[in-house]
Amino acid sequence: GENVEQHPSTLSVQEGDSAVIKCTYSDSASNYFPWYKQELGKRPQLIIDIRSNVGEKKDQRIAVTLNKTAKHFSLHITETQPEDSAVYFCAAMNYGGSQGNLIFGKGTKLSVKP
Amino acid sequence: NAGVTQTPKFQVLKTGQSMTLQCAQDMNHNSMYWYRQDPGMGLRLIYYSASEGTTDKGEVPNGYNVSRLNKREFSLRLESAAPSQTSVYFCASSEQRWSGELFFGEGSRLTVL
Repeated sequence: GENVEQHPSTLSVQEGDSAVIKCTYSDSASNYFPWYKQELGKRPQLIIDIRSNVGEKKDQRIAVTLNKTAKHFSLHITETQPEDSAVYFCAAMNYGGSQGNLIFGKGTKLSVKP
Repeated sequence: NAGVTQTPKFQVLKTGQSMTLQCAQDMNHNSMYWYRQDPGMGLRLIYYSASEGTTDKGEVPNGYNVSRLNKREFSLRLESAAPSQTSVYFCASSEQRWSGELFFGEGSRLTVL
């Protein structure tokens, strides 16, 4: 089955700096890679996702890149702000496949210092 | 439009007791899921229901049972709670099985003594 590794487990940056979180996956059939953000005490919420037919996707200060050959994908946050402080989860699955579930990484706790 | 609603939000049990976590969604979604979240372990799938009338095991189903009561409701039952089941439980839903965005409930914090 799919296995998703996420690094780093904690990340501290100064406000205005960039943050990068990396994930690797094991199943080459995986083709859908979402990222969820969970603020302290809140529910996880989808912030961006990418499918395997594209290499990069941007949404304002957030971007995700995908390298299918190397089986890794990354979340990039530019010009970080204190409200970006949260736990971020990557996930992977074979979207449209008859088997397999959405498998999450263990999360990265991002702290943005003012 | 409340989205996904879970009850209770907090519960303390003694080892061996049973309880049911309730989940309801008002988005007319076909698929529903139960996850547990433990420190440093991310979100792990317990059970899911792709559509009304079906349920399937996820990554960590042992010690749990589920019921898809109707299209709106999906409950998670602990028959004989164990300390290892101390966790935060999240219910989620999506339009179809694994079709894009999961909408999560607010979570239920369960402590088993």
